[in-house]
Amino acid sequence: SQQGEEDPQALSIQEGENATMNCSYKTSINNLQWYRQNSGRGLVHLILIRSNEREKHSGRLRVTLDTSKKSSSLLITASRAADTASYFCATAPLYGGATNKLIFGTGTLLAVQP
Amino acid sequence: EADIYQTPRYLVIGTGKKITLECSQTMGHDKMYWYQQDPGMELHLIHYSYGVNSTEKGDLSSESTVSRIRTEHFPLTLESARPSHTSQYLCASSERQGSSYNSPLHFGNGTRLTVT
Repeated sequence: SQQGEEDPQALSIQEGENATMNCSYKTSINNLQWYRQNSGRGLVHLILIRSNEREKHSGRLRVTLDTSKKSSSLLITASRAADTASYFCATAPLYGGATNKLIFGTGTLLAVQP
Repeated sequence: EADIYQTPRYLVIGTGKKITLECSQTMGHDKMYWYQQDPGMELHLIHYSYGVNSTEKGDLSSESTVSRIRTEHFPLTLESARPSHTSQYLCASSERQGSSYNSPLHFGNGTRLTVT
């Protein structure tokens, strides 16, 4: 991967459990974004965290960012079957200019069993 | 759901055919993008545009071309399709916010292209 690598590649949990996905990147960033992709569909933006932020919440989602370790995590609490999807992190390089050329990670495939 | 549309959803064609993948958005976004995604793989940027008459090649080399004659329309063309072009093509758009590059991307549902 050019920039983001996600871990694990695949995760299977039971409904009601929490799911944690991790993203590591290589260069300095302006912000990091998380997206969800349902099978056969486009990506949907979930949450954006800026480089000067350490944690952000949105509903059942909690994102953390550690710029010293160049890593981020996405936590989905009380998961539901409808959360089954691939989750991608995407980074906006700090020195990429105003191009908004996000670099996507390899994704984590989450399966939530009912 | 974002207002960005891609057609067709699926396309199966023979080698050597010329094809155009359509992408339109009704949000008035200046920036538009084409990504290529193989199954289970990361997305690779192949083209982008900052506005009308502006197009740039992305990070992944592609034999396709794009045009941006209208703000809402960003079609991608393959002059002569080959089996190596088989992939999913995702179109996206985002707002221009001055020099900021924080804008989230809005994606279409993609075109799955198979070249036989």
